[in-house]
Parts: sequence; C-alpha cells; structure tokens
Amino acid sequence: AQRVTQPEKLLSVFKGAPVELKCNYSYSGSPELFWYVQYSRQRLQLLLRHISRESIKGFTADLNKGETSFHLKKPFAQEEDSAMYYCALCYSSASKIIFGSGTRLSIRP
Amino acid sequence: DVKVTQSSRYLVKRTGEKVFLECVQDMDHENMFWYRQDPGLGLRLIYFSYDVKMKEKGDIPEGYSVSREKKERFSLILESASTNQTSMYLCASSRITVVEVNSPLHFGNGTRLTVT
Repeated sequence: AQRVTQPEKLLSVFKGAPVELKCNYSYSGSPELFWYVQYSRQRLQLLLRHISRESIKGFTADLNKGETSFHLKKPFAQEEDSAMYYCALCYSSASKIIFGSGTRLSIRP
Repeated sequence: DVKVTQSSRYLVKRTGEKVFLECVQDMDHENMFWYRQDPGLGLRLIYFSYDVKMKEKGDIPEGYSVSREKKERFSLILESASTNQTSMYLCASSRITVVEVNSPLHFGNGTRLTVT
C-alpha cells in the first residue's frame, strides 16, 4: 500500500544551523512528491514539488528513488522557518494525495 | 489567487447529530478533497472528487459521506456524529492540466469540529 513516513514528530535546531526533515515513501509506480508547510495561524500551503527542482525559501528536496526518500533540506535555518511540515505523495491519475504525519520544526534563536 | 472557503471555522455538535461541512472554491478546479488533521497522525484523506457527482473513498471514509452537485462546492456529511470525529477538517482543491497531471493542492482554513 502507498505510504508516507516522517519519522520525526519534532525537530529543534538553532538559527543558522542546517536543517533536514526526513520523508520516506512506499509506492511501486512513479511517484510525485511534495512538501507542504503550515505556519502558525495560516492555512496549509505548498512549499515545493520534486518535478520543479527548485529552491523555495532556501529549501530544496531531492527525490532518491533508490532509497525511496524525499528529504527536505536547508543549509542555514531561520526563525521564520518554524512551522509544521508535511511530506505528500500523489500516486494516481485522479490526483489522489496522501500525507505523512508531519514534522514540527522549531528554530531556536 | 485561488480561494478555498470553508463555511465554518468552529463547530460544536452533539453526538448523533447530522453535520454538514461546506467547502467552496472559486478557480474552477476539477479536484476537491476532504482531509482530517489530527496531531501525530497528519492529514488523512476522507473522500475526494474529480468531477461533479463523482467521488472516491480515501483512507478513512467510514462514518462520512460527500456530495458534489456543482463543480465549485464539495460537502462533507457526518450522518451521525460521534466523539471520535472531533477533529480539524481541511478542504482542498486542485486542477488538472495538460502539462501538469497532478497540480498542487490549495487548502481552506479548516473547520474545527467538536462533537460532545
């Protein structure tokens, strides 16, 4: 069955330190993966998607099909990065999207 | 900018009541979704719809039904509310294009439902 796993419920790092939020997926076909972010008191919104291969707010994520991973990385964390991050997998032509359990990122000053 | 509007921000209902959660999007999106968001469990897909009057079950459809009579509106119905349906409910929409088969989701602000 299709599944998205985010092993860390909470990740706390100091400002300026590197950040890596882990995401692993299980899907036998060709996956399409996303990272969504929810800042305090805001709606959930798209951060980035693997097919775009872009950097958003300094974050990047590379799809590793061998390890079935899509980890989110940022070299230097900023306080405004504190938020809830969800990894998501889209796996059907009808755009069915499932999410991981989320990781709360807390950036300490 | 896409706007997905959920009719209620907070809702308190009694066990056994029939509950309607309404969602409207203004960008002519084909796909609409209902998720529930619970701490430690993330977002779980309840139902989704890829066209008017079309629906598919998600991962946790039990106790819920949906209605999509018009393209812009997707309703989630709790036939007989129970306390374990206390949760944050999120509606989302997305479009299908020729280039992007799976476009990103646009979310509403959510409805926090409490069943007592």
